Amino acid sequence: NAGVTQTPKFQVLKTGQSMTLQCAQDMNHEYMSWYRQDPGMGLRLIHYSVGAGITDQGEVPNGYNVSRSTTEDFPLRLLSAAPSQTSVYFCASSLVHRVTEAFFGQGTRLTVV
Amino acid sequence: TQLLEQSPQFLSIQEGENLTVYCNSSSVFSSLQWYRQEPGEGPVLLVTVVTGGEVKKLKRLTFQFGDARKDSSLHITAAQPGDTGLYLCAGLPTGANSKLTFGKGITLSVRP
Repeated sequence: NAGVTQTPKFQVLKTGQSMTLQCAQDMNHEYMSWYRQDPGMGLRLIHYSVGAGITDQGEVPNGYNVSRSTTEDFPLRLLSAAPSQTSVYFCASSLVHRVTEAFFGQGTRLTVV
Repeated sequence: TQLLEQSPQFLSIQEGENLTVYCNSSSVFSSLQWYRQEPGEGPVLLVTVVTGGEVKKLKRLTFQFGDARKDSSLHITAAQPGDTGLYLCAGLPTGANSKLTFGKGITLSVRP
């Protein structure tokens, strides 16, 4: 059982480039979310989804898009990367919204130069 | 404004010592969780507390949820180097559309 799988693990982008961070879970969880983790800032919610076809904004959504076409996958798209988006990104899933354990991926360390 | 304040921010202790760290808020939570994160990894859940005054034990770790469900503490007995890591508390505020909110974390280093 792989849990939550994120790819890539590391990425360097130039300012203005776009890319997609992949997230897949094999636990049939309804709820999936994306966080960014910055030194001294903790984990901040970017976007979340309560089920296939449903997404919503979190605390820091600007500059990011998401979609949820299947239960398993929840990609995060950076449309035009900026240095302020340099961070470690974590995808998480949980069985249902508002409850229970959040299972995290290993993270993607993104550097925008 | 940080909804959850964790203290202390950093802690370095000798193996065998006891310690207590805190997660405080002015808001009421329907549940509160503690996670541990190791370098290069995602957070992993240690415990969930849901009832005011609840105490849960996980081997040498004791977690308490405040009576008013606004705060929590984590006590480690006889700390070991394997306890080293970032400890995050996360609370689910009351309210239908609330989202899990994380504190900034406590970096614990246990020296052999």
